[in-house]
Amino acid sequence: QQQVKQSPQSLIVQKGGISIINCAYENTAFDYFPWYQQFPGKGPALLIAIRPDVSEKKEGRFTISFNKSAKQFSLHIMDSQPGDSATYFCAALGGADGLTFGKGTHLIIQP
Amino acid sequence: DAGVIQSPRHEVTEMGQEVTLRCKPISGHNSLFWYRQTMMRGLELLIYFNNNVPIDDSGMPEDRFSAKMPNASFSTLKIQPSEPRDSAVYFCASSLGGGRTYEQYFGPGTRLTVT
Repeated sequence: QQQVKQSPQSLIVQKGGISIINCAYENTAFDYFPWYQQFPGKGPALLIAIRPDVSEKKEGRFTISFNKSAKQFSLHIMDSQPGDSATYFCAALGGADGLTFGKGTHLIIQP
Repeated sequence: DAGVIQSPRHEVTEMGQEVTLRCKPISGHNSLFWYRQTMMRGLELLIYFNNNVPIDDSGMPEDRFSAKMPNASFSTLKIQPSEPRDSAVYFCASSLGGGRTYEQYFGPGTRLTVT
């Protein structure tokens, strides 16, 4: 059972554009929603995270939008740069378990 | 801080052989996680330790997999006997926290190939 569904699987954006990645979850017990960034040959690294008591969190060019009623959250990368090219994972945490990850989005920013 | 350390970085072995992956968490962190990453299944949690005690091993695929954490600075994931379908990248992560863990720091991973 896939508890966190992520889309799209891959995404190509022009430099300077906005990259948008979406996730949906099923388990209402989830109460922490991080996004991880992974470069080839490296482990995932925390990028930004949100709790469900707020609808938006912004850190620099990265913004998480959260819709609790729809059980959806998304990552927006403004002014996308070639250095942002990576695989992005949404995740969710609830209870005492480790993170449940989405399948990942392979993002390519074209110069 | 050296971050989470994993060894070996790459492992190639033949089907049926025993494989041991090693992890050193960040000093002071009291939660440790083992994940497996494949193209088909993405990142999957295998097992989670808190204060060296296994809390949730429901993600361990089968009895061929076992994990130990003898002390706060070392953990192993063992596969015996290994099979080609075990080929994946195995990540160890650590976190400062108890049962409700937040930011997890991942190691560089071990790429395992079973032929």
